[in-house]
Amino acid sequence: NAGVTQTPKFQVLKTGQSMTLQCAQDMNHNSMYWYRQDPGMGLRLIYYSASEGTTDKGEVPNGYNVSRLNKREFSLRLESAAPSQTSVYFCASSEGAWATGYTFGSGTRLTVV
Amino acid sequence: GENVEQHPSTLSVQEGDSAVIKCTYSDSASNYFPWYKQELGKRPQLIIDIRSNVGEKKDQRIAVTLNKTAKHFSLHITETQPEDSAVYFCAASRAPGGSYIPTFGRGTSLIVHP
Repeated sequence: NAGVTQTPKFQVLKTGQSMTLQCAQDMNHNSMYWYRQDPGMGLRLIYYSASEGTTDKGEVPNGYNVSRLNKREFSLRLESAAPSQTSVYFCASSEGAWATGYTFGSGTRLTVV
Repeated sequence: GENVEQHPSTLSVQEGDSAVIKCTYSDSASNYFPWYKQELGKRPQLIIDIRSNVGEKKDQRIAVTLNKTAKHFSLHITETQPEDSAVYFCAASRAPGGSYIPTFGRGTSLIVHP
């Protein structure tokens, strides 16, 4: 049982390049989330998907897009990377829409130069 | 929206001592309070959670207490060990009908000295 799988683990981009971070969960969870983690800022929500077929903006959505491809997969796309998007990105999933803990992926360390 | 404040930002203790991390929240309708532990370079992992109908919950050396009146909840770690060294995050969220997405605190870096 893999839990939440994120790819890639590390990535270096040049300013203006695009990329997609992939996330898949095998726990039959309904809800999925993308967070970024920056030093001293904690975990900030970028986008989330409460259930298959729905997506909503979080606290810091600018510069990102998401796709809930199916119940298992939730991808995050950077269309034109900027140095301010240098961060560690975590995908997470939860069984229900509330009052349930998250299972996090192992993270993607992204550097934009 | 919900605002979660977490203190202290850094906590240094000797092995065997107790550690307490406190979080305050602003939305009185919040009713679910999880705690996550993140070891260096690893993913956050849920270690304990509490719902608003319970005042305290224990799991071996860790416990969480909730004071709904004062709108704060705390993580207590007893007999700390070096492997407890990590960043700990609290969070708060509401039942359906409100914003169920948890709001996280900024984290507490716990350092346990052997």
